[in-house]
Amino acid sequence: DADVTQTPRNRITKTGKRIMLECSQTKGHDRMYWYRQDPGLGLRLIYYSFDVKDINKGEISDGYSVSRQAQAKFSLSLESAIPNQTALYFCATSDILSGVGETQYFGPGTRLLVL
Amino acid sequence: AQSVTQPDIHITVSEGASLELRCNYSYGATPYLFWYVQSPGQGLQLLLKYFSGDTLVQGIKGFEAEFKRSQSSFNLRKPSVHWSDAAEYFCAVGAAKGFQKLVFGTGTRLLVSP
Repeated sequence: DADVTQTPRNRITKTGKRIMLECSQTKGHDRMYWYRQDPGLGLRLIYYSFDVKDINKGEISDGYSVSRQAQAKFSLSLESAIPNQTALYFCATSDILSGVGETQYFGPGTRLLVL
Repeated sequence: AQSVTQPDIHITVSEGASLELRCNYSYGATPYLFWYVQSPGQGLQLLLKYFSGDTLVQGIKGFEAEFKRSQSSFNLRKPSVHWSDAAEYFCAVGAAKGFQKLVFGTGTRLLVSP
């Protein structure tokens, strides 16, 4: 969905380096999420944010940090990258329709390789 | 704890044949259910969702899914598969009330043979 963009799309880094993955959205949604996808494991939630001042850990937050710079921007950082953080990373946003429910919309993903 | 099971890791279907992808969930409350598709090198695209009401839901690209509460299932179907349907399909479940923390299945990779 072009309304959710991720940069970079591909990144190769070395063990111990700090890197940042960025996500921007033009959908006007308050909620944003970071997931990682590993083969055979599906998607797992790293962090989520309900608004600029509300950030929460997901199921696999160790080794990661996030920053919600604005409603439209949510960045994921790997403070000191390690090889088992090699994965496909997705950003998502969601809306809540009154009385209906919440739907998440995903960006195109960032493929990260840690050597 | 909530969980989603997609028992088929790979499925191969001939072009023009019908398709059914299985999804079973475990959830302690009323669930919201989703199917997403991931084409090679692409992000996840929402195919369809079930929140309430009619248990047979229609989605994009000719897909449909049926919610069966008694079987805790939400199987995805398509009557006639096209080569462009080759992709990985993910079922997900979330809360009907409160925070929507999606739990994903491990995915089913669909291969379409000529």
